[in-house]
Amino acid sequence: EIVLTQSPATLSLSPGERATLSCRASQSVSGKFYLAWYQQKAGQAPRLLIYDASNRAPGVPARFSGSGSGTDFTLTISSLEPEDFAVYYCQQRNNWPPLTFGGGTKVELK
Amino acid sequence: EVQLVQSGAEVKKPGESLKISCKASGYSFTGSWIAWVRQMPGKGLEWMGFIYPSDSDIRYNPSFQGQVTTSVDKSLNIAYLQWTRLRTSDTAIYYCARLNKELSFAFDVWGQGTMVTVSS
Repeated sequence: EIVLTQSPATLSLSPGERATLSCRASQSVSGKFYLAWYQQKAGQAPRLLIYDASNRAPGVPARFSGSGSGTDFTLTISSLEPEDFAVYYCQQRNNWPPLTFGGGTKVELK
Repeated sequence: EVQLVQSGAEVKKPGESLKISCKASGYSFTGSWIAWVRQMPGKGLEWMGFIYPSDSDIRYNPSFQGQVTTSVDKSLNIAYLQWTRLRTSDTAIYYCARLNKELSFAFDVWGQGTMVTVSS
């Protein structure tokens, strides 16, 4: 099972600041790493932001970007908008079952 | 509009059975896998399993195998998740989500969630 570890658990930032979220996998895979990022606001279902580590899902603003390879992946929000304060999860489907999610990073208002 | 609409909140007692639903609209139901994801109170997301409506091919997370059953009714475009004997530890929000082949099988459309409360 691939374990995804997200850090930090909480990120306290102000609107306009840059957010950098990390997701580390417990093992690397040969070939492509199928990693996705989701945003979940309080009381809502998750929303897909990024797939295949770096591809933005349709309708996702350009301030969201994903990068990384091997075992280290990053979600960057270039300039936080008020609506971006939420919990963010990474998820992998390379080595399943089980398909796994990280534990989440909460981006909160400083 | 592509949508997944889930059944309403449930309050059950330990040992009771339950079946919740996820109705798809706006796309070809039989052409995409449907996943179930659990979120326990204040916790993260856990993949439970998924089903391919076209032929009811099913894959379960080993942690949930034998604890729940998923099925579909193709004529109604509905996926189901059911329990035969609920436990208090089943208290959670359950989401259904579509896996989109065009987006590398990421979960691109989510239902609104069904809150299940199991308490004596």
